[in-house]
Amino acid sequence: QKEVEQNSGPLSVPEGAIASLNCTYSDRGSQSFFWYRQYSGKSPELIMFIYSNGDKEDGRFTAQLNKASQYVSLLIRDSQPSDSATYLCAVRTGGFKTIFGAGTRLFVKA
Amino acid sequence: DAGVIQSPRHEVTEMGQEVTLRCKPISGHNSLFWYRQTMMRGLELLIYFNNNVPIDDSGMPEDRFSAKMPNASFSTLKIQPSEPRDSAVYFCASSPFSRGSFGEQFFGPGTRLTVL
Repeated sequence: QKEVEQNSGPLSVPEGAIASLNCTYSDRGSQSFFWYRQYSGKSPELIMFIYSNGDKEDGRFTAQLNKASQYVSLLIRDSQPSDSATYLCAVRTGGFKTIFGAGTRLFVKA
Repeated sequence: DAGVIQSPRHEVTEMGQEVTLRCKPISGHNSLFWYRQTMMRGLELLIYFNNNVPIDDSGMPEDRFSAKMPNASFSTLKIQPSEPRDSAVYFCASSPFSRGSFGEQFFGPGTRLTVL
């Protein structure tokens, strides 16, 4: 079992819709959870992080964490074509180590 | 403020040659990470440092890979000898690990390595 799992996609949504990206992790002791966006040919860019159960909102982005289910999600409201990218879920498992998922490719159709 | 700086941005070399990748972390960040990214394997953690000390190098694929961090503002990743299967994008990231931070990492632009 992979430590951090994501559906590789592609996930295709129409412009203006809500995109929902999901991630599960295996280490119950995980402390912090991150979402990075990576455009093709570019480096990962931090979008949001969350560390306690519940929702955390930042503009059009909402991160959701459920530690009991070992589940993290990212919702993108009012999706725009510029949101088309690969979204990487990352989990800080302890100390300084962070494990990245394989990423979900998102396409937002204009 | 300058972000993480990596050099070179592109490197093309022949099998058997030594390759050295360089990284300057964000000033004040005390943790540094080296990653490798390929289509097949995704983003893999190779090694990370805290306060210039290597903490975990279990991701280094084999003895041909080595990394150093002689001071807080510079790190190198060396491959000797290089092989075609080392072709990938190598990222350096830094993090302000301290009380109150959560481990967020900031990535450099990457070095695209091609070994012929």
